[in-house]
Amino acid sequence: QQQVKQSPQSLIVQKGGISIINCAYENTAFDYFPWYQQFPGKGPALLIAIRPDVSEKKEGRFTISFNKSAKQFSLHIMDSQPGDSATYFCAASKEGAQKLVFGQGTRLTINP
Amino acid sequence: DAGITQSPRHKVTETGTPVTLRCHQTENHRYMYWYRQDPGHGLRLIHYSYGVKDTDKGEVSDGYSVSRSKTEDFLLTLESATSSQTSVYFCAIRAIGTANTEAFFGQGTRLTVV
Repeated sequence: QQQVKQSPQSLIVQKGGISIINCAYENTAFDYFPWYQQFPGKGPALLIAIRPDVSEKKEGRFTISFNKSAKQFSLHIMDSQPGDSATYFCAASKEGAQKLVFGQGTRLTINP
Repeated sequence: DAGITQSPRHKVTETGTPVTLRCHQTENHRYMYWYRQDPGHGLRLIHYSYGVKDTDKGEVSDGYSVSRSKTEDFLLTLESATSSQTSVYFCAIRAIGTANTEAFFGQGTRLTVV
């Protein structure tokens, strides 16, 4: 039972380019959509999160775009840098829920 | 870093042996989780706890058990390790209140079953 589907599984982007990772969810009760970033040998860490009352949230070079009707959300990394090379996970949860459901992860490589 | 410590960080064990992984937190968060990370599968929830002695199953709980006798410690036990349980295991903690909150992860335990 995969409630959050993430794509692509891996992505290579040139330095300075835009990285885009997509996620789709099934449960319309979800109302919290975080993205986590994981560097090799480390645990995931929260990068940015959005709630469905807004269609976009931006923090520096990182932007979440949210499409409630399509049940999709995406992470955009502008001016991608080699230091952004990591694995990215989308996730979803509903208010007060005990469980956070994760996507399959995207391994992002930024070539210098 | 949030106060989460996983031990051991690396372990090699033989098929059929029991293995216990430990997660210790200093944040006094109510919720604790065990995930496994495998290529192509992302992070899959094994078990979680919502209080001392209160635990529940996740999506891949078969072959695993957990215990939480103190707020700060959450133990994951593989009763009889199999090669399919070779993975990286992450503990996470979360404070859930009136709004969804951030999950903090430990550094992970790399377990190899030979």
